[in-house]
Amino acid sequence: DIQMTQSPASLSASLEEIVTITCQASQDIGNWLSWYQQKPGKSPQLLIYGATSLADGVPSRFSGSRSGTQYSLKISRLQVEDIGIYYCLQAYSAPLTFGSGTKLEIK
Amino acid sequence: QVQLQQSGTELVKPGSSLKLSCKASGYTFTDYAMQAVKQRPGQGLEWIGYILPWNGVTDYNQKFKGKATLTVDTSSNTAYMELSRLTSDDSAVYYCARSAITMAPFDYWGQGVMVTVSS
Repeated sequence: DIQMTQSPASLSASLEEIVTITCQASQDIGNWLSWYQQKPGKSPQLLIYGATSLADGVPSRFSGSRSGTQYSLKISRLQVEDIGIYYCLQAYSAPLTFGSGTKLEIK
Repeated sequence: QVQLQQSGTELVKPGSSLKLSCKASGYTFTDYAMQAVKQRPGQGLEWIGYILPWNGVTDYNQKFKGKATLTVDTSSNTAYMELSRLTSDDSAVYYCARSAITMAPFDYWGQGVMVTVSS
């Protein structure tokens, strides 16, 4: 199985700050990486797909990047509505595997 | 608009089985795969498997083979997941989610159904 090592586990940042979350894949997964935001008590929502493409309706302050087998989600100017837990998902091969999640809070 | 409406909260006894539903609307049901995801309380997300509604083909995470069975009823645009021989480890929120192809991102999610296994 492909392991997705996500960091940090939790993050506290100030409004308007730049936030970066990373996922390290245990092997090459190409661009088969997506990012999800889960707000408290809600279902996850797609933010980024294909490692770098912004999903419909997602604010442009979110962006995704890739360097080899390391993938990053960046929030350029943190807003209060961005609090929640963020997950990466690799869909290169079954079983599909999620990162362990990053809990984002406002400082 | 695309909607995935899941069945309500369940409280079931250990050893029993349970069938959860996920009714799709707002798109052509047979054009998209349906995925299933588990989330234990306070924990992360775990992929269970998928079903292709147009031909019924399934693939499962090895961990859930024998535990979860995915089916569809194309006449009602509904996907089902049966969970068998339930234990406390099966207490979780279960989500259905749509994807364009089997390995595509999950672009729409159901609201989730909370399953509690307790005597």
